Amino acid sequence: GAVVSQHPSWVICKSGTSVKIECRSLDFQATTMFWYRQFPKQSLMLMATSNEGSKATYEQGVEKDKFLINHASLTLSTLTVTSAHPEDSSFYICSAARTDYGYTFGSGTRLTIV
Amino acid sequence: RKEVEQDPGPFNVPEGATVAFNCTYSNSASQSFFWYRQDCRKEPKLLMSVYSSGNEDGRFTAQLNRASQYISLLIRDSKLSDSATYLCVVNRAGGFKTIFGAGTRLFVKA
Repeated sequence: GAVVSQHPSWVICKSGTSVKIECRSLDFQATTMFWYRQFPKQSLMLMATSNEGSKATYEQGVEKDKFLINHASLTLSTLTVTSAHPEDSSFYICSAARTDYGYTFGSGTRLTIV
Repeated sequence: RKEVEQDPGPFNVPEGATVAFNCTYSNSASQSFFWYRQDCRKEPKLLMSVYSSGNEDGRFTAQLNRASQYISLLIRDSKLSDSATYLCVVNRAGGFKTIFGAGTRLFVKA
């Protein structure tokens, strides 16, 4: 089955640092990937749609200069949280779409900013 | 109004019970529908797609009513391992853009 690898699975950083999260499709090519954020006891909220070779499409209210997305190849999308602050602490999950598998999710990254 | 709405629960049921979840969506042009399961602090995993004709996978049955714009999930003979949050997922027409419901929490007790 389709596998999406997300790294790191958890990270703790000091306020003000930038954090990069990687999302890789291991056995298929993903022209489109999605980035979500989930706060405790809440649902996943789509942050942006990442398209290979073009700019990401951000959802309303998501700052594109704070959450930098790069989708440089058909198997890799990265999300960089720039100048992270405690309020950015959350569970970040990526997913890739395949018509035969629906949506496959990465295992998520638990980001804690202290 | 949210684009996808679910009863948040929680549903507390004994083992062996039958439980049903409903989900409504507001965008009539929505194309694809799914149920995902999410365990605590884990990523969502696909449970099943939902088709207009209805579909069944073991103890799980999914139904889609396009006229009323709702989706249902029926779980028969509940197991302790069914305890999780069940997410209704709707794919907007014209692309892969997915909208998640807030999820329904299920607790199955011995």
